[in-house]
Amino acid sequence: DSGVTQTPKHLITATGQRVTLRCSPRSGDLSVYWYQQSLDQGLQFLIQYYNGEERAKGNILERFSAQQFPDLHSELNLSSLELGDSALYFCASSVGTSGGGETQYFGPGTRLLVL
Amino acid sequence: AQTVTQSQPEMSVQEAETVTLSCTYDTSESDYYLFWYKQPPSRQMILVIRQEAYKQQNATENRFSVNFQKAAKSFSLKISDSQLGDAAMYFCAYRRGDYAGGTSYGKLTFGQGTILTVHP
Repeated sequence: DSGVTQTPKHLITATGQRVTLRCSPRSGDLSVYWYQQSLDQGLQFLIQYYNGEERAKGNILERFSAQQFPDLHSELNLSSLELGDSALYFCASSVGTSGGGETQYFGPGTRLLVL
Repeated sequence: AQTVTQSQPEMSVQEAETVTLSCTYDTSESDYYLFWYKQPPSRQMILVIRQEAYKQQNATENRFSVNFQKAAKSFSLKISDSQLGDAAMYFCAYRRGDYAGGTSYGKLTFGQGTILTVHP
Protein backbone atom coordinates (compact mmCIF):
# COMPACT_ATOMS: atom_id res chain seq x y z
CA ASP A 1 0.00 0.00 0.00
CA SER A 2 1.60 3.23 -1.20
CA GLY A 3 -0.52 5.49 1.01
CA VAL A 4 -2.05 7.22 -2.02
CA THR A 5 -5.78 6.65 -2.34
CA GLN A 6 -7.93 7.03 -5.41
CA THR A 7 -11.68 6.87 -5.78
CA PRO A 8 -13.58 5.38 -7.41
CA LYS A 9 -11.76 2.20 -8.38
CA HIS A 10 -13.94 1.66 -11.41
CA LEU A 11 -16.16 4.00 -13.40
CA ILE A 12 -18.43 3.17 -16.32
CA THR A 13 -20.09 6.01 -18.15
CA ALA A 14 -21.37 7.05 -21.56
CA THR A 15 -19.92 9.24 -24.25
CA GLY A 16 -20.54 12.92 -23.73
CA GLN A 17 -20.67 12.61 -19.96
CA ARG A 18 -18.51 14.23 -17.30
CA VAL A 19 -16.73 12.44 -14.45
CA THR A 20 -14.53 13.41 -11.52
CA LEU A 21 -11.67 11.29 -10.26
CA ARG A 22 -10.38 11.90 -6.77
CA CYS A 23 -6.95 11.43 -5.26
CA SER A 24 -5.62 11.78 -1.73
CA PRO A 25 -1.82 11.95 -1.53
CA ARG A 26 0.33 10.34 1.13
CA SER A 27 0.39 12.18 4.40
CA GLY A 28 2.91 15.03 4.13
CA ASP A 29 3.22 14.94 0.34
CA LEU A 30 2.67 18.28 -1.35
CA SER A 31 2.85 17.25 -5.00
CA VAL A 32 0.20 15.35 -6.91
CA TYR A 33 0.67 14.00 -10.42
CA TRP A 34 -1.90 12.57 -12.80
CA TYR A 35 -1.04 9.95 -15.42
CA GLN A 36 -3.13 8.17 -18.01
CA GLN A 37 -2.43 4.57 -19.05
CA SER A 38 -4.12 3.38 -22.23
CA LEU A 39 -3.41 0.56 -24.67
CA ASP A 40 -2.54 2.85 -27.57
CA GLN A 41 -0.81 5.73 -25.75
CA GLY A 42 0.90 3.85 -22.95
CA LEU A 43 1.62 5.73 -19.71
CA GLN A 44 1.41 9.47 -20.18
CA PHE A 45 1.90 12.36 -17.80
CA LEU A 46 -1.08 14.68 -17.67
CA ILE A 47 -0.49 17.33 -15.02
CA GLN A 48 1.25 18.12 -11.72
CA TYR A 49 0.12 20.23 -8.80
CA TYR A 50 2.28 21.39 -5.95
CA ASN A 51 0.71 22.78 -2.81
CA GLY A 52 -2.39 23.91 -4.65
CA GLU A 53 -0.74 25.37 -7.72
CA GLU A 54 -0.29 23.92 -11.17
CA ARG A 55 3.36 23.05 -11.60
CA ALA A 56 3.70 21.24 -14.90
CA LYS A 57 1.46 20.24 -17.75
CA GLY A 58 1.78 17.32 -20.13
CA ASN A 59 -0.44 16.01 -22.89
CA ILE A 60 -3.66 16.91 -21.14
CA LEU A 61 -6.66 17.52 -23.35
CA GLU A 62 -8.61 20.76 -23.06
CA ARG A 63 -11.64 18.68 -22.05
CA PHE A 64 -9.70 17.60 -18.96
CA SER A 65 -8.97 19.79 -15.97
CA ALA A 66 -7.58 19.28 -12.51
CA GLN A 67 -7.15 21.09 -9.26
CA GLN A 68 -5.59 20.58 -5.86
CA PHE A 69 -7.48 21.71 -2.81
CA PRO A 70 -6.20 23.26 0.44
CA ASP A 71 -6.27 19.85 2.13
CA LEU A 72 -4.00 18.69 -0.74
CA HIS A 73 -6.38 16.20 -2.27
CA SER A 74 -6.75 16.51 -6.00
CA GLU A 75 -9.51 15.99 -8.51
CA LEU A 76 -9.25 15.28 -12.23
CA ASN A 77 -12.31 16.31 -14.19
CA LEU A 78 -12.95 14.68 -17.55
CA SER A 79 -15.75 16.14 -19.68
CA SER A 80 -17.37 15.45 -23.06
CA LEU A 81 -16.06 11.94 -22.74
CA GLU A 82 -15.13 9.97 -25.82
CA LEU A 83 -14.53 6.26 -26.30
CA GLY A 84 -10.82 6.94 -26.52
CA ASP A 85 -10.76 8.33 -22.99
CA SER A 86 -11.21 4.81 -21.63
CA ALA A 87 -8.05 4.19 -19.65
CA LEU A 88 -6.52 3.65 -16.24
CA TYR A 89 -5.91 6.97 -14.53
CA PHE A 90 -3.19 7.07 -11.92
CA CYS A 91 -2.50 9.62 -9.29
CA ALA A 92 0.96 9.81 -7.74
CA SER A 93 2.36 11.95 -4.97
CA SER A 94 5.75 13.07 -3.74
CA VAL A 95 7.01 15.11 -0.84
CA GLY A 96 8.09 18.18 -2.77
CA THR A 97 8.26 19.15 -6.38
CA SER A 98 10.03 15.90 -7.28
CA GLY A 99 13.41 17.55 -7.00
CA GLY A 100 16.36 15.32 -6.24
CA GLY A 101 14.73 12.44 -8.03
CA GLU A 102 12.44 11.82 -5.11
CA THR A 103 10.09 8.91 -5.49
CA GLN A 104 6.63 9.36 -6.88
CA TYR A 105 4.27 7.00 -5.07
CA PHE A 106 1.40 5.78 -7.19
CA GLY A 107 -2.16 5.11 -6.16
CA PRO A 108 -4.08 2.02 -7.28
CA GLY A 109 -5.67 3.87 -10.20
CA THR A 110 -9.20 4.49 -11.42
CA ARG A 111 -10.30 2.40 -14.36
CA LEU A 112 -12.58 4.43 -16.62
CA LEU A 113 -14.68 2.77 -19.28
CA VAL A 114 -16.59 5.00 -21.68
CA LEU A 115 -19.36 3.22 -23.58
CA ALA B 1 11.63 15.84 -26.23
CA GLN B 2 12.88 12.88 -24.30
CA THR B 3 11.89 9.40 -25.40
CA VAL B 4 12.24 6.04 -23.67
CA THR B 5 12.30 2.79 -25.62
CA GLN B 6 11.88 -0.74 -24.34
CA SER B 7 12.51 -3.04 -27.28
CA GLN B 8 11.38 -6.27 -25.59
CA PRO B 9 7.57 -6.46 -25.41
CA GLU B 10 7.82 -9.79 -23.55
CA MET B 11 10.48 -11.74 -21.69
CA SER B 12 10.41 -14.97 -19.76
CA VAL B 13 12.67 -16.54 -17.17
CA GLN B 14 12.83 -19.70 -15.10
CA GLU B 15 12.44 -19.34 -11.37
CA ALA B 16 15.83 -18.77 -9.66
CA GLU B 17 17.45 -17.72 -12.95
CA THR B 18 18.62 -14.27 -14.01
CA VAL B 19 16.97 -12.04 -16.60
CA THR B 20 17.87 -8.66 -18.06
CA LEU B 21 15.36 -6.15 -19.35
CA SER B 22 16.55 -3.51 -21.80
CA CYS B 23 15.84 0.19 -21.95
CA THR B 24 17.29 2.97 -24.07
CA TYR B 25 16.49 6.64 -23.89
CA ASP B 26 17.10 9.73 -25.91
CA THR B 27 17.91 13.06 -24.32
CA SER B 28 20.15 16.03 -24.88
CA GLU B 29 20.31 16.77 -21.17
CA SER B 30 23.13 15.76 -18.87
CA ASP B 31 21.20 15.96 -15.62
CA TYR B 32 18.43 13.41 -15.23
CA TYR B 33 17.14 10.42 -13.29
CA LEU B 34 16.14 6.97 -14.49
CA PHE B 35 13.72 4.59 -12.85
CA TRP B 36 12.35 1.09 -13.19
CA TYR B 37 8.76 0.60 -12.08
CA LYS B 38 6.96 -2.73 -11.71
CA GLN B 39 3.27 -3.14 -12.47
CA PRO B 40 1.92 -6.51 -11.27
CA PRO B 41 -1.54 -7.78 -12.24
CA SER B 42 -3.01 -5.62 -9.47
CA ARG B 43 -2.02 -2.64 -11.69
CA GLN B 44 -0.26 -0.88 -8.81
CA MET B 45 2.89 0.96 -9.95
CA ILE B 46 5.78 0.08 -7.65
CA LEU B 47 9.22 1.67 -7.78
CA VAL B 48 11.91 -0.99 -8.18
CA ILE B 49 15.10 1.02 -8.51
CA ARG B 50 16.40 4.45 -9.50
CA GLN B 51 19.64 5.84 -10.90
CA GLU B 52 21.02 9.36 -10.85
CA ALA B 53 22.76 10.22 -14.13
CA TYR B 54 25.61 11.98 -12.33
CA LYS B 55 26.48 8.79 -10.44
CA GLN B 56 28.78 6.38 -12.25
CA GLN B 57 28.06 3.56 -9.82
CA ASN B 58 25.21 1.31 -10.86
CA ALA B 59 22.28 1.21 -8.44
CA THR B 60 21.44 -2.01 -6.63
CA GLU B 61 18.41 -3.00 -4.57
CA ASN B 62 18.62 -6.56 -3.25
CA ARG B 63 18.08 -8.85 -6.28
CA PHE B 64 17.63 -5.92 -8.65
CA SER B 65 20.52 -4.07 -10.25
CA VAL B 66 20.98 -1.84 -13.23
CA ASN B 67 23.61 -1.47 -15.92
CA PHE B 68 23.71 2.25 -16.64
CA GLN B 69 25.69 3.17 -19.74
CA LYS B 70 25.40 6.97 -20.00
CA ALA B 71 27.26 7.39 -23.27
CA ALA B 72 25.17 4.71 -24.92
CA LYS B 73 21.99 6.02 -23.23
CA SER B 74 21.20 2.55 -22.02
CA PHE B 75 19.65 1.54 -18.70
CA SER B 76 19.01 -2.19 -18.32
CA LEU B 77 17.52 -3.96 -15.32
CA LYS B 78 18.93 -7.25 -14.09
CA ILE B 79 16.79 -9.45 -11.87
CA SER B 80 18.74 -12.18 -10.12
CA ASP B 81 17.29 -15.29 -8.51
CA SER B 82 13.92 -14.60 -10.16
CA GLN B 83 10.85 -15.34 -8.10
CA LEU B 84 7.26 -15.99 -9.10
CA GLY B 85 6.32 -12.69 -7.52
CA ASP B 86 8.55 -10.86 -10.00
CA ALA B 87 6.07 -11.59 -12.78
CA ALA B 88 4.77 -8.20 -13.89
CA MET B 89 4.99 -5.49 -16.51
CA TYR B 90 8.19 -3.49 -16.05
CA PHE B 91 8.45 0.13 -17.11
CA CYS B 92 11.58 2.17 -17.59
CA ALA B 93 11.09 5.88 -16.88
CA TYR B 94 13.06 9.09 -17.34
CA ARG B 95 12.87 12.29 -15.35
CA ARG B 96 14.68 15.51 -16.09
CA GLY B 97 17.13 16.81 -13.53
CA ASP B 98 16.47 19.67 -11.21
CA TYR B 99 18.77 22.00 -13.11
CA ALA B 100 17.66 21.07 -16.60
CA GLY B 101 15.55 24.19 -16.85
CA GLY B 102 11.85 24.62 -17.36
CA THR B 103 9.19 23.56 -14.94
CA SER B 104 8.31 20.06 -16.08
CA TYR B 105 11.07 18.23 -14.28
CA GLY B 106 8.61 16.33 -12.12
CA LYS B 107 7.23 14.56 -15.18
CA LEU B 108 8.06 10.90 -15.67
CA THR B 109 8.38 9.74 -19.27
CA PHE B 110 7.73 6.01 -19.55
CA GLY B 111 8.74 3.36 -22.03
CA GLN B 112 6.20 0.98 -23.54
CA GLY B 113 6.80 -1.70 -20.93
CA THR B 114 8.08 -5.28 -20.91
CA ILE B 115 5.90 -8.14 -19.71
CA LEU B 116 7.98 -10.53 -17.62
CA THR B 117 6.78 -14.10 -17.14
CA VAL B 118 8.42 -16.28 -14.49
CA HIS B 119 8.15 -20.05 -15.02
CA PRO B 120 8.25 -22.35 -11.97
